[in-house]
Amino acid sequence: DVKVTQSSRYLVKRTGEKVFLECVQDMDHENMFWYRQDPGLGLRLIYFSYDVKMKEKGDIPEGYSVSREKKERFSLILESASTNQTSMYLCASTPRSRGTQYFGPGTRLLVL
Amino acid sequence: SQQGEEDPQALSIQEGENATMNCSYKTSINNLQWYRQNSGRGLVHLILIRSNEREKHSGRLRVTLDTSKKSSSLLITASRAADTASYFCGVSGTYKYIFGTGTRLKVLA
Repeated sequence: DVKVTQSSRYLVKRTGEKVFLECVQDMDHENMFWYRQDPGLGLRLIYFSYDVKMKEKGDIPEGYSVSREKKERFSLILESASTNQTSMYLCASTPRSRGTQYFGPGTRLLVL
Repeated sequence: SQQGEEDPQALSIQEGENATMNCSYKTSINNLQWYRQNSGRGLVHLILIRSNEREKHSGRLRVTLDTSKKSSSLLITASRAADTASYFCGVSGTYKYIFGTGTRLKVLA
């Protein structure tokens, strides 16, 4: 079975802190995605990557950056956390053929 | 832009009844997927239907796709309390996937 893991289930940070969210998949998938999920807004794509060291902006990239140094790992970085970045963050991966997205368990981030 | 939108937003039924939820989207797609999310958890893939397919079954799940109407439906038969969750459709275009806001299903025992 495909496994996508995220570094933390819950995270509490202070405004202005730099925050790293890590995602690791074990199925050699080329594509990886970061979403945030907010009530009433569904899943919104922040960034995605279709290969190592490649990244593309999604629909709401402002305030975020990403890093993909290894195929299995895709990191989301909040350079200076703000309260409006309090959200549920979901990582997903797919093979190059796309098809099914496999999601991690999510990280619930609270920025105080 | 393409967008998966689920309907209804919320659905409450008795155990044993069938639950139907719908998804509409705006542009051409490669495939459409349905996911389930239990409260506070990640999304779990349920079923994928390709753009050249019209119907697909998996256990108690039945998915239909009408590309002319740009819509899909998910039917859960003989629902159980454990089916209580949010259900999302995701449409796949080029690289991106677009998800709606989901249907919250509550199955009463």
